[in-house]
Amino acid sequence: DTAVSQTPKYLVTQMGNDKSIKCEQNLGHDTMYWYKQDSKKFLKIMFSYNNKELIINETVPNRFSPKSPDKAHLNLHINSLELGDSAVYFCASSPGYAGEQYFGPGTRLTVT
Amino acid sequence: DAKTTQPPSMDCAEGRAANLPCNHSTISGNEYVYWYRQIHSQGPQYIIHGLKNNETNEMASLIITEDRKSSTLILPHATLRDTAVYYCIVSGRDDKIIFGKGTRLHILP
Repeated sequence: DTAVSQTPKYLVTQMGNDKSIKCEQNLGHDTMYWYKQDSKKFLKIMFSYNNKELIINETVPNRFSPKSPDKAHLNLHINSLELGDSAVYFCASSPGYAGEQYFGPGTRLTVT
Repeated sequence: DAKTTQPPSMDCAEGRAANLPCNHSTISGNEYVYWYRQIHSQGPQYIIHGLKNNETNEMASLIITEDRKSSTLILPHATLRDTAVYYCIVSGRDDKIIFGKGTRLHILP
């Protein structure tokens, strides 16, 4: 019955690999987001999609590519992983407006 | 950059009310005040938001000053499970939200 779910919860991989993180929300929200929380615990927005359309694209390397197959899903694909990509990645969703967001449990990515 | 200022940490005794302050002196007329919290290793959790009036829900109360330059989040009866980092965020209705450093609240048994 989880509102916002992410898979996998943990991801350990080597530099140079390509990986994907999946996110699904069952709240019927129109907008979904990806955030990155680094080792210093700063939480920064990466992308935002509204009804499958990209509306926010922060200064993120183009190795990161979000994909929204439908309103309930927003996946994050990362190419050529680097050590600095190690972080916790959170997916979130919101109803019509941006302030009331509901976050997933996070995916801890470790690049070795 | 975050538009809010919060104390880096606070302590509160279990069972007492926890009052978390936030300054947002540059808030615009159409910007809301949002509060989130992040319990260790979990995703941030939305708590409450308001524009001008005080707000209350099952989790907390939000008191916004008349000039809207500051606000206080009140957890009426703090428990150990309320130990978390609390974020005060100012944002327009359709703007992205920007998380600052927040206040680390310790609930003491």
